[in-house]
Amino acid sequence: AQTVTQSQPEMSVQEAETVTLSCTYDTSESDYYLFWYKQPPSRQMILVIRQEAYKQQNATENRFSVNFQKAAKSFSLKISDSQLGDAAMYFCAYKTPTRDDKIIFGKGTRLHILP
Amino acid sequence: NAGVTQTPKFQVLKTGQSMTLQCAQDMNHNSMYWYRQDPGMGLRLIYYSASEGTTDKGEVPNGYNVSRLNKREFSLRLESAAPSQTSVYFCASSGLRDRYYGYTFGSGTRLTVV
Repeated sequence: AQTVTQSQPEMSVQEAETVTLSCTYDTSESDYYLFWYKQPPSRQMILVIRQEAYKQQNATENRFSVNFQKAAKSFSLKISDSQLGDAAMYFCAYKTPTRDDKIIFGKGTRLHILP
Repeated sequence: NAGVTQTPKFQVLKTGQSMTLQCAQDMNHNSMYWYRQDPGMGLRLIYYSASEGTTDKGEVPNGYNVSRLNKREFSLRLESAAPSQTSVYFCASSGLRDRYYGYTFGSGTRLTVV
């Protein structure tokens, strides 16, 4: 069975600094999708960034980028120039392109931004 | 606005009471899901419906039932609520053309069972 592991329950970063959140996953599939979701105190689940496994190029969305290492089954999220609004719970997630489209989530990393 | 609508947003139940969480999407998505979120546990899949007329168990289905009423609506029922079902519940949907984009989530229901 596929699993997603986030080894850092909580992290803190100084405002304007860079932080990296770790995620590893276990799968025997070769085709899949990976996501990072942000959950601010409002509880809303917000898609931050996504990566297709067959693409070697790392995805980037403004200040957010990933380091996708397929052989190592690693999918870390880097946040540059951290802002107070980045404070949230971050979930790493995995999905295979099957009919049921189920997503498996990690347990989350709570990110604190220090002013 | 297009999206996933969950009701209610908050609910307090007494042990043994029943209730139904409602979820509706207006994006013509085939697949719908119910997750629960507990501290330190992430989001865990309760039930899902890959298409209208079908439902399947997820990781933590015990104590719950679901109904895919039509393509738009997917409800979650607690027949006899227990304190262990205190959680935040999320409904989500996914379309065949949106597999790359993950889910569209509802805003969640915070349920407390006392």
